[in-house]
Amino acid sequence: GEDVEQSLFLSVREGDSSVINCTYTDSSSTYLYWYKQEPGAGLQLLTYIFSNMDMKQDQRLTVLLNKKDKHLSLRIADTQTGDSAIYFCAESTPWRDDKIIFGKGTRLHILP
Amino acid sequence: NAGVTQTPKFQVLKTGQSMTLQCAQDMNHNSMYWYRQDPGMGLRLIYYSASEGTTDKGEVPNGYNVSRLNKREFSLRLESAAPSQTSVYFCASSEGLVRTEDEKLFFGSGTQLSVL
Repeated sequence: GEDVEQSLFLSVREGDSSVINCTYTDSSSTYLYWYKQEPGAGLQLLTYIFSNMDMKQDQRLTVLLNKKDKHLSLRIADTQTGDSAIYFCAESTPWRDDKIIFGKGTRLHILP
Repeated sequence: NAGVTQTPKFQVLKTGQSMTLQCAQDMNHNSMYWYRQDPGMGLRLIYYSASEGTTDKGEVPNGYNVSRLNKREFSLRLESAAPSQTSVYFCASSEGLVRTEDEKLFFGSGTQLSVL
């Protein structure tokens, strides 16, 4: 079945760039998302990319999509303490079903 | 604008007890979802409702029932709680089923449930 994989932890020094990686199995995945979950809160959509794009930039966030390798990444420039959270990669394919498939989440820890 | 509101925030149950988790959204969204989040497992879809009057099973529906009471409210019921149902439960809503880039999920803040 469809699957989305992420590494579980990432530690980055404050001010450096963070790169969170994700791989997915369904080559027909259409929409790819990054959600952020802060402690004790629900998930919030950070950004998304349509499968016919290979890059999307939004302020400090850059999403790269390599459709051939089924690889998605989220780069956070100038990482701040407020970026400390769990980041979920997710994908959906409308003509497959009505679900969003989430990865297990990557916990981003910011080092002083 | 409250968005998606879940109650309660915390609950402790004994094995075999029943309870209902409530969810309401004030964004006039058509679709609503229940997820559970377990350490190392990410989010798993329990049930969803594409529109008022319809419900469908997700990835892990066993042990749960849902009711789409009206367009605003979507409740999740545990008839006989088991320790395996200890988890954080999230309700979410979207304008429609996620079929376009504009249809994003909005999440509640979660219910932490412990079953002893």
